[in-house]
Amino acid sequence: GEDVEQSLFLSVREGDSSVINCTYTDSSSTYLYWYKQEPGAGLQLLTYIFSNMDMKQDQRLTVLLNKKDKHLSLRIADTQTGDSAIYFCAEITGTASKLTFGTGTRLQVTL
Amino acid sequence: DAGVIQSPRHEVTEMGQEVTLRCKPISGHDYLFWYRQTMMRGLELLIYFNNNVPIDDSGMPEDRFSAKMPNASFSTLKIQPSEPRDSAVYFCASRAIDDSPLHFGNGTRLTVT
Repeated sequence: GEDVEQSLFLSVREGDSSVINCTYTDSSSTYLYWYKQEPGAGLQLLTYIFSNMDMKQDQRLTVLLNKKDKHLSLRIADTQTGDSAIYFCAEITGTASKLTFGTGTRLQVTL
Repeated sequence: DAGVIQSPRHEVTEMGQEVTLRCKPISGHDYLFWYRQTMMRGLELLIYFNNNVPIDDSGMPEDRFSAKMPNASFSTLKIQPSEPRDSAVYFCASRAIDDSPLHFGNGTRLTVT
């Protein structure tokens, strides 16, 4: 199947680190993506990782990829209230080059 | 770069009416995608085009839905007749080449009463 799974909700305190997890199904995926959706807006590309990499760091964001377990995670350091949003992981599936999205994780940042 | 532009931002219509959603992809992008987002089903791919040609429309719910891309800078998604269960946010996205990231528009929120 083409299910990409995420937990639905995560709550963290401002200043703490957030870790959002994702499991995907297509072992042939070349790229895996993280998108952020704020209320009333479209999906904004946050970062992505090529499948031959284990880790990618981009300022406060760290992406970890475990290909063996088909597990992807997004770590946000020093989480701010502006990070409150829904975060989607996505993989390219099959030969059709379609992006399949996870269910999204709603991140709530509390003071 | 203006990004992917969708119109209208909001559409409220009565059941049975025809609805047309519009999208202008980023210039130079060869792929265009239409997604639908609902609380129950999340993000669903409806159809995508490559070089203006529909490649995969297996996600289109039923014959009431149709999509066209008459040229590289414009696409429409039409629902005729509309039904309350079509209420959702419809996103258009485009990308340059295979494997490159998708860029999304801000969506059209459709409400069918």
